[in-house]
Amino acid sequence: GAVVSQHPSWVICKSGTSVKIECRSLDFQATTMFWYRQFPKQSLMLMATSNEGSKATYEQGVEKDKFLINHASLTLSTLTVTSAHPEDSSFYICSAADSHSNQPQHFGDGTRLSIL
Amino acid sequence: AQSVTQPDIHITVSEGASLELRCNYSYGATPYLFWYVQSPGQGLQLLLKYFSGDTLVQGIKGFEAEFKRSQSSFNLRKPSVHWSDAAEYFCAVGDGGGGSNYKLTFGKGTLLTVNP
Repeated sequence: GAVVSQHPSWVICKSGTSVKIECRSLDFQATTMFWYRQFPKQSLMLMATSNEGSKATYEQGVEKDKFLINHASLTLSTLTVTSAHPEDSSFYICSAADSHSNQPQHFGDGTRLSIL
Repeated sequence: AQSVTQPDIHITVSEGASLELRCNYSYGATPYLFWYVQSPGQGLQLLLKYFSGDTLVQGIKGFEAEFKRSQSSFNLRKPSVHWSDAAEYFCAVGDGGGGSNYKLTFGKGTLLTVNP
């Protein structure tokens, strides 16, 4: 089946640094990628939707300058948390979809981000 | 706006017992409905989906779900639970944006504990 690889799976860094998370579709063309955030013991909240070659569309309340999303190719999207602070600590999950197919979105395994 | 309600935060069942996880949705048109399972620290695995057609859908790992439009429900069932089914279960509704690049709205999840 379709595979989405998310990297890194876990990152710990100091407050003020920027962290980049990668989301790759390994065996299909991901025309659309989604980025979610999940707080402990809570549901997934959609942060933004990115279409290949276009600017991402952010959900209400999500700071686009804080969470930079790039989707430059059909197999890779990146989420950069800029100047990260402890309140940005969370579990971030991406999903990928091929808009030309009827297959459901495929999720990565998530990235645990801890800001000290 | 679409929404999903999972009334049960935590359910405990004995191994071998039957299981039903409840899900109610709110959406203006025919919804795309999904059930996902998440193990601790992991991404989401799709159990089953409903797009159209037969309202009783079969999924992986012996799960099934029934779409009831009159009740706006999409409950997940399994006749005999295994200890490995212990996990968090999320119901989700997609906005039917065409192809597979629809936005997903998740419920808050139901944590399933399985007693030996």
